[in-house]
Amino acid sequence: EIVLTQSPATLSLSPGERATLSCRASQSLSSSVTWYQKKPGQAPRLLIYDASNRATGIPPRFSGSGSGTDFTLTISSLEPEDFALYYCQQRTNSQYSFGQGTKLEI
Amino acid sequence: EVQLLESGGGLVQPGGSLRVSCVASGFTFSSYAMSWVRHSSGQGLEWVSGIGPSGEGTFYADSVKGRFTISRDNSKNTLYLQMNSLKAEDTAQYYCAKASVPLGHFDYWGQGTVVTVSP
Repeated sequence: EIVLTQSPATLSLSPGERATLSCRASQSLSSSVTWYQKKPGQAPRLLIYDASNRATGIPPRFSGSGSGTDFTLTISSLEPEDFALYYCQQRTNSQYSFGQGTKLEI
Repeated sequence: EVQLLESGGGLVQPGGSLRVSCVASGFTFSSYAMSWVRHSSGQGLEWVSGIGPSGEGTFYADSVKGRFTISRDNSKNTLYLQMNSLKAEDTAQYYCAKASVPLGHFDYWGQGTVVTVSP
């Protein structure tokens, strides 16, 4: 079973700052990583797929990078609406798994 | 516009059963794999189960294998999750999610339905 470990668990920043969220896999991934944003009372929102592709409608301040076991979500300049939970996800065979999440707080 | 609307959540006692549903619209339901994903404040997001476009393949997380059954009725554009032998740790908001491609990422999610397992 591949385990995704996200760091930090909580990231405290201010609007306008740069956020860097990490997702590390316990084994090298043959398929790539997806990133989702989760706000209270809302459904998860697809941000980045295949490590670096922005989903439709996602602002360019969101970017993803990485391969193998190390992946990064970067938010170049935080907007007030970006403070939320962020999860990475991978698929191996027919099983998906998520990281434990990073809480991005003001 | 893609829409996914879950229903059927509620309060159930440990050991009980519940079936949640998800009605899809705005896309050709029978062409896409679907999954159930749950979220709780303690566990975060957890993939629960997935099913192929025609229902030909079903897949489960180890935590629910043998207790939950996923199914779909393409004539009704509806996805189901039958949950038996429920435990307190199954308490969560349950989301249905559409896969972009087979075994791909989830590009659309419903608003969820809350399942609470408590005496």
